Amino acid sequence: DAMVIQNPRYQVTQFGKPVTLSCSQTLNHNVMYWYQQKSSQAPKLLFHYYDKDFNNEADTPDNFQSRRPNTSFCFLDIRSPGLGDAAMYLCATSSGTGGYEQYFGPGTRLTVT
Amino acid sequence: GENVEQHPSTLSVQEGDSAVIKCTYSDSASNYFPWYKQELGKGPQLIIDIRSNVGEKKDQRIAVTLNKTAKHFSLHITETQPEDSAVYFCAASLNYGQNFVFGPGTRLSVLP
Repeated sequence: DAMVIQNPRYQVTQFGKPVTLSCSQTLNHNVMYWYQQKSSQAPKLLFHYYDKDFNNEADTPDNFQSRRPNTSFCFLDIRSPGLGDAAMYLCATSSGTGGYEQYFGPGTRLTVT
Repeated sequence: GENVEQHPSTLSVQEGDSAVIKCTYSDSASNYFPWYKQELGKGPQLIIDIRSNVGEKKDQRIAVTLNKTAKHFSLHITETQPEDSAVYFCAASLNYGQNFVFGPGTRLSVLP
C-alpha cells in the first residue's frame, strides 16, 4: 500500500547528541513536511519541502535541519537535542498539484535523556 | 497570521449520540479546512475536509459545515461508536493545502 513511513518509531538520544529521523513515501508526492507534536498539543510545522525548495517556519530553532535527497526520502536532523526537544515528530506529504490533503506517517517518538 | 480556535477541548457522549466540534479561524483568505483524527501513539488521519467554495460535505456518519461569513466550521459525528474515541484536530490553510494551522484539539470519549 502507498504510504508514509517513519523510522525509527521510537528513538532515545542523549542530551546534546545529534540524532536523525527518517521519513519515506511511496505516494510520489511533491511536498514533504516535518511537524513537532508535544504531549496534548497540536502538531506544529517545522518546515517543508516543495520538491527541492526548502521552506523554514520563522520560529523553527536553528537546531533543527532537514534534508531531502530525492522525492521519496526526507530527513530531520537535530544537531544538539535538548530536553525540550522530546516530542513526537510527524512527517506528512501532499501532492502539491491540486490535491490539498496532507497524509501523515505514524510518527517517531523522541526521548532525550 | 492565521489563528484557529477549537471547542470544546474535551467531549464525552453516550454511544449512539451525536458529537459536534466547532472551530473558528481568523484569516478570511483561508480556503481549505481538514479534520484529522488522532489515536493514541499514531499519526493524524484525515477523516473529512471541505474547501471554501462548499458549504457542507458528508461522508457516512461524518459531516462538516463551513460558514465563511462567520469564519467557523464544524465537525458532526452521528451515531457515535466507542472506536470514535480519539483526539480530533481541525485545521485551516491559506495556500490550498500547504501551511496548515491546527486547532488545539478536542478529546472525544464515547461511553458504551
